[in-house]
Amino acid sequence: AQKVTQAQTEISVVEKEDVTLDCVYETRDTTYYLFWYKQPPSGELVFLIRRNSFDEQNEISGRYSWNFQKSTSSFNFTITASQVVDSAVYFCALKSERNQGGKLIFGQGTELSVKP
Amino acid sequence: DTEVTQTPKHLVMGMTNKKSLKCEQHMGHRAMYWYKQKAKKPPELMFVYSYEKLSINESVPSRFSPECPNSSLLNLHLHALQPEDSALYLCASSQGRGGTDTQYFGPGTRLTVL
Repeated sequence: AQKVTQAQTEISVVEKEDVTLDCVYETRDTTYYLFWYKQPPSGELVFLIRRNSFDEQNEISGRYSWNFQKSTSSFNFTITASQVVDSAVYFCALKSERNQGGKLIFGQGTELSVKP
Repeated sequence: DTEVTQTPKHLVMGMTNKKSLKCEQHMGHRAMYWYKQKAKKPPELMFVYSYEKLSINESVPSRFSPECPNSSLLNLHLHALQPEDSALYLCASSQGRGGTDTQYFGPGTRLTVL
């Protein structure tokens, strides 16, 4: 079975704080892909990052960084110096080739509220 | 350009109405998707078209009828919906290479069924 767990339902921070969104996944496949999407109140899911299972290199993009650790099956997302515009629901998702042609398995999402 | 467009943005319909949702992409993608999302929940996959053929139907009721006229367009025809079908309907597209694909989503259509 494949599963994605985002244990944090809601997080509230004050602007300029750093915040980490946790994502833990389960899969028996050796080749899989992990994603993060941002969904602001407008509704559109905005693609943030894709990471392949064979590439554990962490990534930084501006204020965003991602920590992929296969040993703990985690793919955590950190926002540094958060801003009000970061307020959104963030979804972590998993996909593997063997699972129904690459169906995306979403976590339940973490709602981030950044207050000024 | 990673844009997927959807029309209309909002739709209110009665249970006896027939309406259609439209989705368009010009990224040359060969896979297109319909998702349904209820408030405070993740998106749920409904249908997948791959190279203009229906490849996945997640046991969706027949009152939802997808159509893929060409590789750029995806429609979702709605008929005799129920109030519980009220949700955000998201369209997505991807290159069509399977597991390595990244899905890009449109802004969604907020549907209210009265």
